[in-house]
Amino acid sequence: SAVISQKPSRDICQRGTSLTIQCQVDSQVTMMFWYRQQPGQSLTLIATANQGSEATYESGFVIDKFPISRPNLTFSTLTVSNMSPEDSSIYLCSVETREDREPTSGANVLTFGAGSRLTVL
Amino acid sequence: RKEVEQDPGPFNVPEGATVAFNCTYSNSASQSFFWYRQDCRKEPKLLMSVYSSGNEDGRFTAQLNRASQYISLLIRDSKLSDSATYLCVVNQAGTALIFGKGTTLSVSS
Repeated sequence: SAVISQKPSRDICQRGTSLTIQCQVDSQVTMMFWYRQQPGQSLTLIATANQGSEATYESGFVIDKFPISRPNLTFSTLTVSNMSPEDSSIYLCSVETREDREPTSGANVLTFGAGSRLTVL
Repeated sequence: RKEVEQDPGPFNVPEGATVAFNCTYSNSASQSFFWYRQDCRKEPKLLMSVYSSGNEDGRFTAQLNRASQYISLLIRDSKLSDSATYLCVVNQAGTALIFGKGTTLSVSS
């Protein structure tokens, strides 16, 4: 499966600032996903990032708050803008690679980066 | 009703015990089902897919009941290294994976 490098691994930020999280994959992938995992909660998809087009955001997430870049097939960034304490969470990058498709149903199997643990004061 | 619901946990079991986790999903159009494992302060990793006929991988057995919209994971002969949070994950064709909150397992010696 793909190897994903995500950074920063953790950061402590002040209210009102912005933080950009980077995700680098060791192979070319079509789709990259950004998830959020708040304390005690399930993983929630923020957006899907496709190379060459705008990211597709899930309900409750907007581009102004979470701008995403996808300049090529191995890299993506997620920015958390104008942060508030409610944004304190783990942010995870994930990819779906061709060889990781579940063989019976063809469903996407995801590989995750190690996550970026963000604390907003 | 939440889309994917899991046993609240935590489950505290001794080594060698058999433990079962349950998960229900609300969308009958769901097509693919998985169990992911997440260690403390680590990212989730795929444990196993869940097939309609049920499937086994070593000490782990996954079952799917489409009529009841229910998935289970059975772990036999629990090891200390099985201590983790187990995430039930459901997916429809063309949509994103939906994760449950997870069930925490703690295996003690």
